[in-house]
Amino acid sequence: GAVVSQHPSRVICKSGTSVKIECRSLDFQATTMFWYRQFPKQSLMLMATSNEGSKATYEQGVEKDKFLINHASLTLSTLTVTSAHPEDSSFYICSVLTGYGYTFGSGTRLTVV
Amino acid sequence: DQQVKQNSPSLSVQEGRISILNCDYTNSMFDYFLWYKKYPAEGPTFLISISSIKDKNEDGRFTVFLNKSAKHLSLHIVPSQPGDSAVYFCAATPGAGSYQLTFGKGTKLSVIP
Repeated sequence: GAVVSQHPSRVICKSGTSVKIECRSLDFQATTMFWYRQFPKQSLMLMATSNEGSKATYEQGVEKDKFLINHASLTLSTLTVTSAHPEDSSFYICSVLTGYGYTFGSGTRLTVV
Repeated sequence: DQQVKQNSPSLSVQEGRISILNCDYTNSMFDYFLWYKKYPAEGPTFLISISSIKDKNEDGRFTVFLNKSAKHLSLHIVPSQPGDSAVYFCAATPGAGSYQLTFGKGTKLSVIP
């Protein structure tokens, strides 16, 4: 299956700043990537579907102006949390769908202080 | 409203015994189900899946059972090993062109040596 690299694995930022999370598909050209968020003891919730070369599709309740997604190439999608607030602190995970199924990145633990 | 429910947040099993993890769903459009295993600070890794046209799928020590009429599936691990200790997520997708996964909240399995 595909290898998905996510960076950084952990980030702490100040309230009001922006944070960029990268998701790379190392051996598969991914036209579609998915971004999930997981709060403690909760399920992984799909935030948005990232489409290469076009706009991302956001799930209901997810602010597209706050969570900026860029999928400029077949191997890279980025999620930028803009003007971060403490309630944005969460575990963010990306996923790639290949012919073998879904492969997930290792996740990014974001803490906003 | 949770469409995929894992009602047991945790489960403890003695090494060598059978672990049974349960999952219920409410959306009758779901027709493909997956189980993922997740360690702390890592992304989920695929374990086993089942299509709605089947009622059982087996892979080594892991067997998934699907009861469509009851909208219930279960993951059996036998014999359980300490290395199986992790959080297990049940996920479902409608298939048919939809690639979105809906996850349950997970069940933390502890296998006691």
